[in-house]
Amino acid sequence: QITLKESGPTLLKPTQTLTLTCTFSGFSLSTNEVTVGWIRQPPGEALDWLALIYWDDDKYYSSSLKSRLTITKDTSKNQVVLTMTNMDPEDTATYYCVHSLYYLGRYAFDVWGQGTMVTVSS
Amino acid sequence: DIQMTQSPSSLSASVGDRVIVTCRASQSISIYLSWYQQKSGKAPRLLIYAASTLQSGVPSRFSGGVSGTNFTLTISSLQPEDFATYYCQQSYNTPITFGQGTRLEIK
Repeated sequence: QITLKESGPTLLKPTQTLTLTCTFSGFSLSTNEVTVGWIRQPPGEALDWLALIYWDDDKYYSSSLKSRLTITKDTSKNQVVLTMTNMDPEDTATYYCVHSLYYLGRYAFDVWGQGTMVTVSS
Repeated sequence: DIQMTQSPSSLSASVGDRVIVTCRASQSISIYLSWYQQKSGKAPRLLIYAASTLQSGVPSRFSGGVSGTNFTLTISSLQPEDFATYYCQQSYNTPITFGQGTRLEIK
């Protein structure tokens, strides 16, 4: 059974850096075709994809946030870490860690963490 | 970036109704389209991937279709547990993008 759980701060001040950790079980990020990603959702708004990291350490980022995001993995700890710099109140959202289902060379997000709410406020 | 446009943005329907939600891609994305259901306060749930493949455990009243760049999610007979918000998502290329959501409400 695949599970993912997000952890990190719940409250940040503007300009601070957010560091979120996704701890997962039930799969290995060193296995071919496995990916883990991050998606966020501001209150009352739509889903917003942030980043994806592949088993071979390839990384992909949101166009609008690329300069602020870094995604890394620690295969030995079964963890993926997302950092986002220069946080703003508009970054207030629930942040989800997701496992991807691989099909025909592409991905769908088949298992989601419970999400962690991050508030940015002075 | 590929834009995904869902319609309608909200929809009122009754138990037993047949409902269709549409998602249009701004360019060709082949069949790389997924549908998700999200209930209030919960994480989204994958319903359909590859435009029409039902995820394991999803009831057969859900189905997906495609014609060109237009994709549909059909619920053949609405059940009380189906009232939720639905999102489409393309994975044809990065950045991955979602539609703005369709809120399905009880009439």
